[in-house]
Amino acid sequence: DAGVTQSPTHLIKTRGQQVTLRCSPKSGHDTVSWYQQALGQGPQFIFQYYEEEERQRGNFPDRFSGHQFPNYSSELNVNALLLGDSALYLCASSLARPYEQYFGPGTRLTVT
Amino acid sequence: QKEVEQDPGPLSVPEGAIVSLNCTYSNSAFQYFMWYRQYSRKGPELLMYTYSSGNKEDGRFTAQVDKSSKYISLFIRDSQPSDSATYLCAMSANQAGTALIFGKGTTLSVSS
Repeated sequence: DAGVTQSPTHLIKTRGQQVTLRCSPKSGHDTVSWYQQALGQGPQFIFQYYEEEERQRGNFPDRFSGHQFPNYSSELNVNALLLGDSALYLCASSLARPYEQYFGPGTRLTVT
Repeated sequence: QKEVEQDPGPLSVPEGAIVSLNCTYSNSAFQYFMWYRQYSRKGPELLMYTYSSGNKEDGRFTAQVDKSSKYISLFIRDSQPSDSATYLCAMSANQAGTALIFGKGTTLSVSS
């Protein structure tokens, strides 16, 4: 049973560029959440998608947007990249139970 | 005051020691309490979750929740070098789709 997968593994972008990160949830899961983890910090909630709709959003600017597809996979888009956006971006999937979120390996984004 | 406080450590113990990891929180709405383990450059791995107050045991791991004190703990018995990782506490309210709120993580090193 495949767990949560994310692509790409690493990414280097320049300030002002745009980036798209991808996530495939664990088999059978219908809810996808995205988190940002800065170095030495715990993950911070960006937003959550369920039934192709953004169900909940954390304290992140509109530069961060997302999408969920009919097969439950999801994308995270970040526009106008800032140096401070450099972080590990984690995708987590679940079956509507908030306490059982399973994380992927993450995408490490470096903005130069 | 942050919603979830966790001492980042680092914590260094010899193999076989009992390890105690703790978090405090301020939001009375939290009902679900999770512990994740994160190895370097990997995604967090769900270790245990507890609903409301009480204890839960799984092998060498025991999770405790004291809602009256807003304090949670994870105990690791007979610690092994393979337990060396960052341990993250996370919490959520009793609603489907609620975001996980994480502590900063405690870095544990178990020496052989």
